Amino acid sequence: TQLLEQSPQFLSIQEGENLTVYCNSSSVFSSLQWYRQEPGEGPVLLVTVVTGGEVKKLKRLTFQFGDARKDSSLHITAAQPGDTGLYLCAGLRAGNYQLIWGAGTKLIIKP
Amino acid sequence: DTGVSQDPRHKITKRGQNVTFRCDPISEHNRLYWYRQTLGQGPEFLTYFQNEAQLEKSRLLSDRFSAERPKGSFSTLEIQRTEQGDSAMYLCASSLGGLGGYNEQFFGPGTRLTVL
Repeated sequence: TQLLEQSPQFLSIQEGENLTVYCNSSSVFSSLQWYRQEPGEGPVLLVTVVTGGEVKKLKRLTFQFGDARKDSSLHITAAQPGDTGLYLCAGLRAGNYQLIWGAGTKLIIKP
Repeated sequence: DTGVSQDPRHKITKRGQNVTFRCDPISEHNRLYWYRQTLGQGPEFLTYFQNEAQLEKSRLLSDRFSAERPKGSFSTLEIQRTEQGDSAMYLCASSLGGLGGYNEQFFGPGTRLTVL
């Protein structure tokens, strides 16, 4: 059973379009992290959200942590081919050191 | 800070052979993790070190897998008698653990293992 469900699993869109990917759980997390991974490389940390309702922006990427700290979303505005990659979310539960990982959303942005 | 490094980047071996991978974490990080990742999936936890102590090992990890972090710096992951099902990307990550931290993990580029 996947404790963190990511959706969609796969998304292919044209350059310039907007998109949102989701990371959902029935568990409460003290923090949640988003990573992007390119083929043949390790994941790269994009952002950490820690407060319910928090919104963080990273250029064209907007990350939101749900009010109840059980879910998160990543919105990309005007997607570019450089945004192509596997987007992973990982949650940390209070008192634990081990991250709980989602299976990822594979994003392809076509020029 | 050169980040997390892993060696080798690619390894092709024959079934039954032993392989060893090395990970050099970010120097001030006390926590080190090994993960396995197959195509299109998230990282699967294998084992975790805090300094030189191996504090947890996944139940999914067979006895053929062993990891060490002898001086609390670099770590090695050895797979004995490799099987075709061991083919995957092996990722190492490090983090700075401590009270109030979020355990943000920084990954190396991975070692791609192919067992023929």
